[in-house]
Amino acid sequence: AQTVTQSQPEMSVQEAETVTLSCTYDTSESDYYLFWYKQPPSRQMILVIRQEAYKQQNATENRFSVNFQKAAKSFSLKISDSQLGDAAMYFCAYRSAVEYGNKLVFGAGTILRVKS
Amino acid sequence: NAGVTQTPKFQVLKTGQSMTLQCAQDMNHEYMSWYRQDPGMGLRLIHYSVGAGITDQGEVPNGYNVSRSTTEDFPLRLLSAAPSQTSVYFCASSHQGLAFFGQGTRLTVV
Repeated sequence: AQTVTQSQPEMSVQEAETVTLSCTYDTSESDYYLFWYKQPPSRQMILVIRQEAYKQQNATENRFSVNFQKAAKSFSLKISDSQLGDAAMYFCAYRSAVEYGNKLVFGAGTILRVKS
Repeated sequence: NAGVTQTPKFQVLKTGQSMTLQCAQDMNHEYMSWYRQDPGMGLRLIHYSVGAGITDQGEVPNGYNVSRSTTEDFPLRLLSAAPSQTSVYFCASSHQGLAFFGQGTRLTVV
């Protein structure tokens, strides 16, 4: 079974600075997808960014980018120019590309606090 | 443009009571799932469905039942609530590998 580990329960960043959230995963599969989700206090789960394992290029969405290291099974999220609205819980998630059901495996989450 | 709708948003149950968490989606997605979110554990899959009439167990299915009689609806049933089922519950539908989540239900069992 696949597992996802987020080793940072909580992180803080100053407004306008850059922060990196860590995620490692364990799988024997070669084809899969990785995601970062943001959960603000409203509880809504918001997709931040997606990475396909067969693509070597790191995904980027505006101020959000990932560092995908397939051999190391590492998938970190970098947030540049941090804003107060980035404060939230962030979840890393894995989905197999071959297993039935579109099932997501989540890490425990990292709380990001943004200081003004 | 409703997306995935969960009801209720909050619920308090007494131990031993039963209830159904409702989930409906209007996007005609085949895949639907239920997750529970607990502090320090992220979201864990309870049950999932790959189409009407087809359901299967996830990582933590004990104490929960599901059925999928239509594409739109995927209710989650707690037959005899226990304090260990106090959690936030999310329903999600999926299409082309992307999951769309409901707003969640905060359930407290006392």
